[in-house]
Amino acid sequence: GENVEQHPSTLSVQEGDSAVIKCTYSDSASNYFPWYKQELGKRPQLIIDIRSNVGEKKDQRIAVTLNKTAKHFSLHITETQPEDSAVYFCAASLQGGANNLFFGTGTRLTVIP
Amino acid sequence: DSGVTQTPKHLITATGQRVTLRCSPRSGDLSVYWYQQSLDQGLQFLIQYYNGEERAKGNILERFSAQQFPDLHSELNLSSLELGDSALYFCASSPRTGNTEAFFGQGTRLTVV
Repeated sequence: GENVEQHPSTLSVQEGDSAVIKCTYSDSASNYFPWYKQELGKRPQLIIDIRSNVGEKKDQRIAVTLNKTAKHFSLHITETQPEDSAVYFCAASLQGGANNLFFGTGTRLTVIP
Repeated sequence: DSGVTQTPKHLITATGQRVTLRCSPRSGDLSVYWYQQSLDQGLQFLIQYYNGEERAKGNILERFSAQQFPDLHSELNLSSLELGDSALYFCASSPRTGNTEAFFGQGTRLTVV
């Protein structure tokens, strides 16, 4: 089955700096890669996603890049703000959608004011 | 608010007992997914139903079962509960299966004592 690895497990940045979280996946058939943000005790919320036919996608301060050859994808957050502090999960799906998502182990991002 | 409703929010029960978690998907969504989030296993996909039928199965134990009813709400039944079953159980829904975003509910926190 698919195996998703995520690094780092914790990340602290100063407000205004950039944050980068990286994930690798094992199954080249995976074709959907969402990123979720989860605040303490709350539900995971989709913040951005990318499909295998696209190399990069950007939404305001958030961008995701995908390297299919190397089987890795990354989340980039620029101009970080304290409200960006949360746990971020990457995921991969073999079935082209939201079913059977394989999640990474999460990155706890702390933005220091 | 994602539009996905889960009840109850919290549940405390004893080992060996059986509980039922309920999920109402967003209006119009046909697919329902169940995920388990525990400290040691992270977010794991359990099972998916689409329009009343089981569509995909993940790491769901034999002690667990689920169903989706004609009104599209779903129930996750957990039996012979063990301490290790303590976790957050999330339901997610999407309009269809494949190539769609999943919207997560707020989760049910199950504590087995």
